[in-house]
Amino acid sequence: AQRVTQPEKLLSVFKGAPVELKCNYSYSGSPELFWYVQYSRQRLQLLLRHISRESIKGFTADLNKGETSFHLKKPFAQEEDSAMYYCALGTSGSRLTFGEGTQLTVNP
Amino acid sequence: KAGVTQTPRYLIKTRGQQVTLSCSPISGHRSVSWYQQTPGQGLQFLFEYFSETQRNKGNFPGRFSGRQFSNSRSEMNVSTLELGDSALYLCASSLSGDSNYIQYFGAGTRLSVL
Repeated sequence: AQRVTQPEKLLSVFKGAPVELKCNYSYSGSPELFWYVQYSRQRLQLLLRHISRESIKGFTADLNKGETSFHLKKPFAQEEDSAMYYCALGTSGSRLTFGEGTQLTVNP
Repeated sequence: KAGVTQTPRYLIKTRGQQVTLSCSPISGHRSVSWYQQTPGQGLQFLFEYFSETQRNKGNFPGRFSGRQFSNSRSEMNVSTLELGDSALYLCASSLSGDSNYIQYFGAGTRLSVL
């Protein structure tokens, strides 16, 4: 069975500091990994996905199949990055398995 | 384009009742998925519909059911409500039923069971 683990429920950094949100997955097939973000009073939205290999709002994530990880990184955090971040694993069809989420707070 | 629309936004029901939630996907999207979000369990997949057929189902009891209409709009029904069914129910639509396609989420329906 598939599983996504985000070990940190809360993460607090200062503005300008690097930030890394951890995500590990368990899946026997070929994984499709995503990061979704939910800003305060907004709906859940896609931040980035591993197949795109792109940087969105300064965030990047690399799929490491050996370590079964898909950590989200940003070199210099901004206050507007404060939000709830969910790592998600896509399996059959449109089914997503979500991690429990990490609440990121960027302090001024 | 209008986003994913879920109605109603809030619902209050009592134990034993049944409830129907509605989801209108983005125009042209054929896949609709439903998720339950609770503080304890997080986001859990309920089921997915594609072209009026249920294609995937999560680990929820048979009290949870759904359907999709020819215009891709979807409804979710919960019968014999229990206190533990109190949650935010999210609907997501995507262009196709492929995991590579971006899913767009609605604002959710918050269900409170008293």
